[in-house]
Amino acid sequence: TQLLEQSPQFLSIQEGENLTVYCNSSSVFSSLQWYRQEPGEGPVLLVTVVTGGEVKKLKRLTFQFGDARKDSSLHITAAQPGDTGLYLCAGPRTTDSWGKLQFGAGTQVVVTP
Amino acid sequence: EADIYQTPRYLVIGTGKKITLECSQTMGHDKMYWYQQDPGMELHLIHYSYGVNSTEKGDLSSESTVSRIRTEHFPLTLESARPSHTSQYLCASSESGKGYGYTFGSGTRLTVV
Repeated sequence: TQLLEQSPQFLSIQEGENLTVYCNSSSVFSSLQWYRQEPGEGPVLLVTVVTGGEVKKLKRLTFQFGDARKDSSLHITAAQPGDTGLYLCAGPRTTDSWGKLQFGAGTQVVVTP
Repeated sequence: EADIYQTPRYLVIGTGKKITLECSQTMGHDKMYWYQQDPGMELHLIHYSYGVNSTEKGDLSSESTVSRIRTEHFPLTLESARPSHTSQYLCASSESGKGYGYTFGSGTRLTVV
C-alpha cells in the first residue's frame, strides 16, 4: 500500500492567520487530490493536482504538487472560521488499474474567531 | 445539493441485529465505494463496485456484504451487528477511469450497543 502521511495531525489557529498542511509519500503518484470534511458530513473534493510542480489556487487556498510527485501542500491565507475541518489528501494507487484512491489520515484544522 | 444520499444519518442498535445502510446516487456513476472512518485514522475501503452486479471486498476485512442491482443503489448490510462495528460509514461514487474525484455522501454514524 502506498502510504500518504499528513502533517500536522492537528492545527489550531486564530482567524486571520496563515497555515500550511502537508501530504507526503515515499511513492510517486500520478495525481493527488485534496478534500475537506466538515463535522457530520462526508469529504468534499477541493482540487486535483496532476503535474509535478503544479500550483493551483482556490480563493484563499493554494495547492502545490511536488516536482517529484511524492508530496503536496495546502496553504490557507488569512484563515476564517469557515475553513475549519478535516483536510484529507488522496491519490490513485498505481498498483490498481481501476484507480481506487489511497487516503491519508488527515489534518484537523480549527480556526477560532 | 447532495447528489449522493445515505440513510440513516445516525443509527443506534443492539448487538445481533441485522441492519442495512442505504446509499443512492443520481449522477450515473459506474463506480461506488464504502469506506469506514474512525477518528485519527485514514479512510479504510471495505467494499467497491465497478458497475451493476460487480462487487469486490476492499482492504479492510469486513463482515458486511453489499449488492449492486441498480447503478444508482449500493446498500451495505450487516447480518449481525457487534460493538466492534461502531464507526462512521461513508459511501462514495466516481466516474470511470483513473484520477476522478469521489463524491461522498454525508455518512451514517453507527453505534452498536
